[in-house]
Amino acid sequence: AQSVTQLGSHVSVSEGALVLLRCNYSSSVPPYLFWYVQYPNQGLQLLLKYTSAATLVKGINGFEAEFKKSETSFHLTKPSAHMSDAAEYFCAVSYNAGNMLTFGGGTRLMVKP
Amino acid sequence: DTEVTQTPKHLVMGMTNKKSLKCEQHMGHRAMYWYKQKAKKPPELMFVYSYEKLSINESVPSRFSPECPNSSLLNLHLHALQPEDSALYLCASSLGTSGGGDTQYFGPGTRLTVL
Repeated sequence: AQSVTQLGSHVSVSEGALVLLRCNYSSSVPPYLFWYVQYPNQGLQLLLKYTSAATLVKGINGFEAEFKKSETSFHLTKPSAHMSDAAEYFCAVSYNAGNMLTFGGGTRLMVKP
Repeated sequence: DTEVTQTPKHLVMGMTNKKSLKCEQHMGHRAMYWYKQKAKKPPELMFVYSYEKLSINESVPSRFSPECPNSSLLNLHLHALQPEDSALYLCASSLGTSGGGDTQYFGPGTRLTVL
């Protein structure tokens, strides 16, 4: 069965510091990978999506993620954190024609002034 | 326009009430989804409609009844809910293409409280 693991349920960084949120998937078949962000009391907003066109994917708000097949990882990064980046981040994967998403447990990003 | 709208934003209901949640999209998407999200947890899939037909029901109790009147509209009818059903209910839509990789666009959710 497909699964997604987000290492670290909480990540705290200082404003201006590098953001690194980790995501690992389990599969022998290359998946489609997504990162979503959820602000308090809101829905999920797509940050970026990997579809095998390029291993480095650029998303909105300065975020990017790199697909590493050898490590089965799709970590999310941003060079410089802003206070407005504080939110819950979900990594998700889909594999098949049904397009069902399997979500990781989520990582809450906190940004300190 | 990548907007999915949901109404109401908040809903408080008693265990004997009947209420409905509404979701709408005008992106031409043919797949629509209902998710339930408890606090500090990822969304859990409840139902999937594909081309207005129910394609997936993730063993959801019958007190939740989905309906897809047309390709733009998705309803979730609620009856005799329990307090543990209190959650954020999210609607999403996607193109509905085969082959995987369909991007799901989420609405803002309805915050449901069952007293």
